[in-house]
Amino acid sequence: AQTVTQSQPEMSVQEAETVTLSCTYDTSESDYYLFWYKQPPSRQMILVIRQEAYKQQNATENRFSVNFQKAAKSFSLKISDSQLGDAAMYFCAYRSGIGNQFYFGTGTSLTVIP
Amino acid sequence: DTAVSQTPKYLVTQMGNDKSIKCEQNLGHDTMYWYKQDSKKFLKIMFSYNNKELIINETVPNRFSPKSPDKAHLNLHINSLELGDSAVYFCASSQKGLAGGGETQYFGPGTRLLVL
Repeated sequence: AQTVTQSQPEMSVQEAETVTLSCTYDTSESDYYLFWYKQPPSRQMILVIRQEAYKQQNATENRFSVNFQKAAKSFSLKISDSQLGDAAMYFCAYRSGIGNQFYFGTGTSLTVIP
Repeated sequence: DTAVSQTPKYLVTQMGNDKSIKCEQNLGHDTMYWYKQDSKKFLKIMFSYNNKELIINETVPNRFSPKSPDKAHLNLHINSLELGDSAVYFCASSQKGLAGGGETQYFGPGTRLLVL
């Protein structure tokens, strides 16, 4: 089975600064999808960004961008100009290109310091 | 319009009771999931249905029984509730093969279950 590892249980960043959350995964597949989800205190799971493995270009959504290193099986999330509303739990997730199952990491709790 | 909805949002009940959580998605997706998130925030998949057919059934006590009357609904029934069942339960859906983000999983708001 695929595994997703988030090695940073907690991270903090000063407001307006940049922070990078790390994620690595283990797979033998060549076709798959990667996601970052945000879970604020409301507990709602919100999609932040997604990346198709066949695309070399890193995905970007406003202040959020990823550094996708396929050979290294690494998928880090960079948050620029951090805002107080970015404080949340962030989950990295993997989805096989052929299956229906998603695999989630254990999450990184991000604190934004005013 | 809510894409994935769950009811109830909160559920407080006594140990030993039987309860159900309902989930509906209006995205036209074929696949639906149930996840359990424990107090440590670890997200664990429980079941997945594709077009009303069970395709993923992780190691879950048989007190938990999913039911999918149609592809837009996936309900979770729990018998003989135990203290350890207290958690947040998330429903989600996705559509394989749909271009432009169809592989993405969309979550419901969660149901917070507290067993006393």
